Amino acid sequence: DAGVIQSPRHEVTEMGQEVTLRCKPISGHDYLFWYRQTMMRGLELLIYFNNNVPIDDSGMPEDRFSAKMPNASFSTLKIQPSEPRDSAVYFCASSFNVGVGTEAFFGQGTRLTVV
Amino acid sequence: AQSVTQLDSQVPVFEEAPVELRCNYSSSVSVYLFWYVQYPNQGLQLLLKYLSGSTLVESINGFEAEFNKSQTSFHLRKPSVHISDTAEYFCAVSAYNTDKLIFGTGTRLQVFP
Repeated sequence: DAGVIQSPRHEVTEMGQEVTLRCKPISGHDYLFWYRQTMMRGLELLIYFNNNVPIDDSGMPEDRFSAKMPNASFSTLKIQPSEPRDSAVYFCASSFNVGVGTEAFFGQGTRLTVV
Repeated sequence: AQSVTQLDSQVPVFEEAPVELRCNYSSSVSVYLFWYVQYPNQGLQLLLKYLSGSTLVESINGFEAEFNKSQTSFHLRKPSVHISDTAEYFCAVSAYNTDKLIFGTGTRLQVFP
């Protein structure tokens, strides 16, 4: 397996525009996580899915953020409208059976810059 | 709820010197503990983990961490660091039978020649 694949790797957009980040988890993994990394706040869990169902979205900053997982091999994180404070690196990770301490595998991240 | 504290945001050290990166956690239930490493422009990779059994766990590249339940700590150590160990290190916790993996804010290890 090629690992967790995120696209795009870099995204530069203007304030007010819609941004969509994409993630393909490792085949067979039943958990998918979206994290945001900033200098100020470190690595924050935004939302996670189990078997394509959102389980906890308490980390989503506000209504401008939304995430979907239409099937086991694809997830999106959308920001609409985007703001400069959304600039960060967004990571997607997947795992199998998290409840017994298994490893989470991370993608290489999407570096988002909102100008 | 669980939380992780990494008090040191940056740790500078010379090559071949020992290093310790500190991690403390808070949880009302038993936990699994992890250290992840992030090299520049890459995602996080698992370095080592504690699930149960021996409280001292080791990685393949010479790092070790010791689970101390009484002090709620999981400090990461290496007796002699290399330039290639320069990276950001994240401590993480997951409670038994829960789904969340919670990370600390990270410690940047900078190894100088």
